[in-house]
Order: sequence, then C-alpha cells, then structure tokens
Amino acid sequence: EVQLVETGGGLIQPGGSLRLSCAASGFTVSSNYMSWVRQAPGKGLEWVSVIYSGGSTYYADSVKGRFTISRDNSKNTLYLQMNSLRAEDTAVYYCARGGLVRGHYYYYMDVWGKGTTVTVSS
Amino acid sequence: VIWMTQSPSLLSASTGDRVIISCRMSQGISSYLAWYQQKPGKAPELLIYAASTLQSGVPSRFSGSGSGTDFTLTISCLQSEDFATYYCQQYYSFPGTFGQGTKVEIK
Repeated sequence: EVQLVETGGGLIQPGGSLRLSCAASGFTVSSNYMSWVRQAPGKGLEWVSVIYSGGSTYYADSVKGRFTISRDNSKNTLYLQMNSLRAEDTAVYYCARGGLVRGHYYYYMDVWGKGTTVTVSS
Repeated sequence: VIWMTQSPSLLSASTGDRVIISCRMSQGISSYLAWYQQKPGKAPELLIYAASTLQSGVPSRFSGSGSGTDFTLTISCLQSEDFATYYCQQYYSFPGTFGQGTKVEIK
C-alpha cells in the first residue's frame, strides 16, 4: 500500500528548531518529486518545499533560508528541518508525492500523509 | 505569478443536488489543473488532475472540465460524504498554487 506517515511535530518556542520526518511505503521517495505543504489553522493550503528526484530543492519565499528539505534513500524517508521558527509557521505540515504520468513529473500531489502539527508559541 | 479565483467560497447544498465549483486563472494554464477534497481534520485527497482525469478510486459523480483559464468541478449528485472543502491547484507554473477553497456545507 502506498502510504506517507509524518512525525516530529510539536510545540516549540519562537526561534527554535524542529525536524519533521515523512516515512514512505509502497513506492520510492527518491524516484519522485516530494513536497511539504502546510495549512495554518483555519486557512488554505500553502506549498512549502519540494525535492526533485534528481535532488534539486526549492522553497517558498516565506521559509527560504530557514527550512531545509532532504531525504534518506536508505530509509525511504523525507525530512524537513525547520530553524528559526516563527509564530506564523504554526500549521499542520503534510508531505505529499508529486504526480508522475508516463514518465513525466507534475506538481500536483497524488498521495498525502495525514499531517503533523507544529505549534510555535512561547 | 498566476492569480487564481475559486468560487464560491461557501456553498450550501442538499444531498442529491448538482454542485458546481469554479476556478479561474489570470492567464492560461492549458489543462494543468487539479482538484482536491479535504474533510475536517484530514489530509487533502486528489480527485482530478489534468483538469478532467479522475484519480483512481474517485466516484464517477465527480467530474472536471475546462482548459485555458476557466475550470469547473461538478458533483452530479451530492452525497453526505461529499460535504467538505474543495481546492483547485494550478500546476502549469512552479510550484503550483492552490485556490482559496470552497466549503460545501449542508443546507
């Protein structure tokens, strides 16, 4: 079964750091585009970061320089290292797999994890 | 930057109704549009990609249409499990942006 399971969320003080993990099963993380998408309380969906199958990484302006996306191919796991956290980073963080159709990668997301909640507050 | 306008933001409907949600782009995106359903406390789920291709396992009462700048998601006969929030997403331009969402509530 294709599945994503996020862990690592919690309550953290402003300025603190947190690392989210997303364990994949049923497919290979390194063969796909993998993204992090967040949703602040009562708000819509916001793309955060993506790592391509080739390893290139990209970030939303709101997190650039503070967040780092990475993966461990041996563990088939995606990560999001979050530093210098701010109150506005409070959200549910989802990892998601990008679409792949006939060998072409797309930015829509066909598999989502259940999400992990990050609360930044003193 | 591609601006997206999803409407309505709130839709009140009854079971059995035909429901139409619109997503309009500020510039043409061909058919690079996806639709998602999100229930409270749950992750989004992909319903449709490429504007009209139904994701595997999605009921046939869901359909998508449009190309260029105007797109619609239609639920032909609303079921109780369809009360949720729906998002469109353009993926024509990186990184793919989401609409503001349409909450479908019980009338």
